[in-house]
Amino acid sequence: AQSVTQLDSQVPVFEEAPVELRCNYSSSVSVYLFWYVQYPNQGLQLLLKYLSGSTLVKGINGFEAEFNKSQTSFHLRKPSVHISDTAEYFCAVSLVGINKFYFGSGTKLNVKP
Amino acid sequence: EAGVAQSPRYKIIEKRQSVAFWCNPISGHATLYWYQQILGQGPKLLIQFQNNGVVDDSQLPKDRFSAERLKGVDSTLKIQPAKLEDSAVYLCASSPNFSGNTIYFGEGSWLTVV
Repeated sequence: AQSVTQLDSQVPVFEEAPVELRCNYSSSVSVYLFWYVQYPNQGLQLLLKYLSGSTLVKGINGFEAEFNKSQTSFHLRKPSVHISDTAEYFCAVSLVGINKFYFGSGTKLNVKP
Repeated sequence: EAGVAQSPRYKIIEKRQSVAFWCNPISGHATLYWYQQILGQGPKLLIQFQNNGVVDDSQLPKDRFSAERLKGVDSTLKIQPAKLEDSAVYLCASSPNFSGNTIYFGEGSWLTVV
């Protein structure tokens, strides 16, 4: 069975500070990995995804994530956050060869001035 | 390129009433998903269509929820009768039919059952 665990339900951080949102997954088969962002009253938007190749993936709005196969993790990072980054972030996996997605429970990032 | 369209955006109904949500996916996307997102939780897959066939409806409460995707394009999700615990955001999403693709979401339909 597949599962996605986001270890922090809420992350408060001051503006211009770095942030890391953690994501771990378990799967018996190979997976693709995604991070989505959800702003208030909106649907989910893709931030970045890892399919293959370099384990460091860069996405929109200055976010990046690193795939660590041995630790089955895909943590999201940003070196300096802005107030506008306040949102909920979801990690997701998709099984290689199968068009199915599994989502974590989300991490609310609250950027304070 | 037009995104995933959903309507209505907001709906308030009394328990035991019925409600229907409509979704029009991105043109050419073979796979359509309906997710339920309860406040504070991640999206939970209710049903997945590939063209007009059901791929997975294992978590759809079939005694009250139904969904169809006629002609393999737009889709309707119905709840009848609604319960208080059905209060959630219903997200429609679509994707091309190949592994490793991105899933694209609509803005969601917010349901409050009172």
